[in-house]
Amino acid sequence: DSGVTQTPKHLITATGQRVTLRCSPRSGDLSVYWYQQSLDQGLQFLIQYYNGEERAKGNILERFSAQQFPDLHSELNLSSLELGDSALYFCASSAHRGLNTEAFFGQGTRLTVV
Amino acid sequence: ELKVEQNPLFLSMQEGKNYTIYCNYSTTSDRLYWYRQDPGKSLESLFVLLSNGAVKQEGRLMASLDTKARLSTLHITAAVHDLSATYFCAGGPMRDDKIIFGKGTRLHILP
Repeated sequence: DSGVTQTPKHLITATGQRVTLRCSPRSGDLSVYWYQQSLDQGLQFLIQYYNGEERAKGNILERFSAQQFPDLHSELNLSSLELGDSALYFCASSAHRGLNTEAFFGQGTRLTVV
Repeated sequence: ELKVEQNPLFLSMQEGKNYTIYCNYSTTSDRLYWYRQDPGKSLESLFVLLSNGAVKQEGRLMASLDTKARLSTLHITAAVHDLSATYFCAGGPMRDDKIIFGKGTRLHILP
């Protein structure tokens, strides 16, 4: 167990809907990363927050947004869902940003859009 | 933009054999990671390599980093079936918080 908790584990929803994925980082970790893993695209970096601030952005669609709250948990919001958004979404956390950063991954949320 | 390339992408090998997975990255990276993922599971951190010439070993796995060649290797010694998994390398661009992953190497070890 990495100590990173993601909920829900599974989510099935219809196209056009909006969902929220939640991530609780390891105790004491300030940095949270979000990744999307699909068969054809591999592990895609979406966005990273450090202590409540957005620090790095990857290939995140405009329909997706995220935030990190004062208690350091993070949420990834996916809206106007399309079939192609079906994927495994991982959250990872690390103690620091940049060098010496080891990131620990949660169990993931499997999103299925039907 | 940092790009990370692994090869091979798929590897089938016999138990007891040795093999190496290669990870090349395109621009300067100040940290290199190796992760393992079992099917349908999360990613488990194996190694973090921070400096040129760094070598780390855990059991039958050994990782090394050559920053001049922009190359990291994951060497498997005397493979056993339990090592069957997908192995990812990932890099962190200089002065950037991103961690960028390669496509992964699916390792299948035959008994």
